[in-house]
Amino acid sequence: DAGVTQSPTHLIKTRGQQVTLRCSPKSGHDTVSWYQQALGQGPQFIFQYYEEEERQRGNFPDRFSGHQFPNYSSELNVNALLLGDSALYLCASSSTGNEQYFGPGTRLTVT
Amino acid sequence: KNEVEQSPQNLTAQEGEFITINCSYSVGISALHWLQQHPGGGIVSLFMLSSGKKKHGRLIATINIQEKHSSLHITASHPRDSAVYICAVSGRSFGNEKLTFGTGTRLTIIP
Repeated sequence: DAGVTQSPTHLIKTRGQQVTLRCSPKSGHDTVSWYQQALGQGPQFIFQYYEEEERQRGNFPDRFSGHQFPNYSSELNVNALLLGDSALYLCASSSTGNEQYFGPGTRLTVT
Repeated sequence: KNEVEQSPQNLTAQEGEFITINCSYSVGISALHWLQQHPGGGIVSLFMLSSGKKKHGRLIATINIQEKHSSLHITASHPRDSAVYICAVSGRSFGNEKLTFGTGTRLTIIP
């Protein structure tokens, strides 16, 4: 079992561009959560997907959107990138009510 | 006031010392999580607990639901324990498994 995987590992984008980050959950997990971790801070909840629908959302603007596919993998899309979007983006998977397993993260730098 | 508070923010100790990190929360929870994050970003789940005490190797986690407080203890600390330790809580209701994080405790163990 490969655990939770994320791609890409690192990414550099320019302000105004759009980015898509990908996450494959641990085998047997049906729930995927996305978190943003700015440098020196704790992670902040972006949203959670379950059964291909957004189940919960944190305080992030509509520029942040996502998707979950039938195989439970998920994408995070960010439009109109701002410098402040530079962060480590973490994906975590779980089966409902159980422990979350984190991926290694994608480090996004916006210049 | 943050929903999840950790103390101390930074902790430096000598190898072999007994370490305690504290976490207090102000909301109803279904579970409390202790996580470890090494430089470079990856997060590892150490414990998920909703009552009592759990032990894994040299790590012990306790929770007091009435007092809304948890502690993470490390016995016989080692330089490889140096990392950021993060406390997080998950919500009480079904479908509310998003994690709310503390700001972390940076632990440095000196040989």
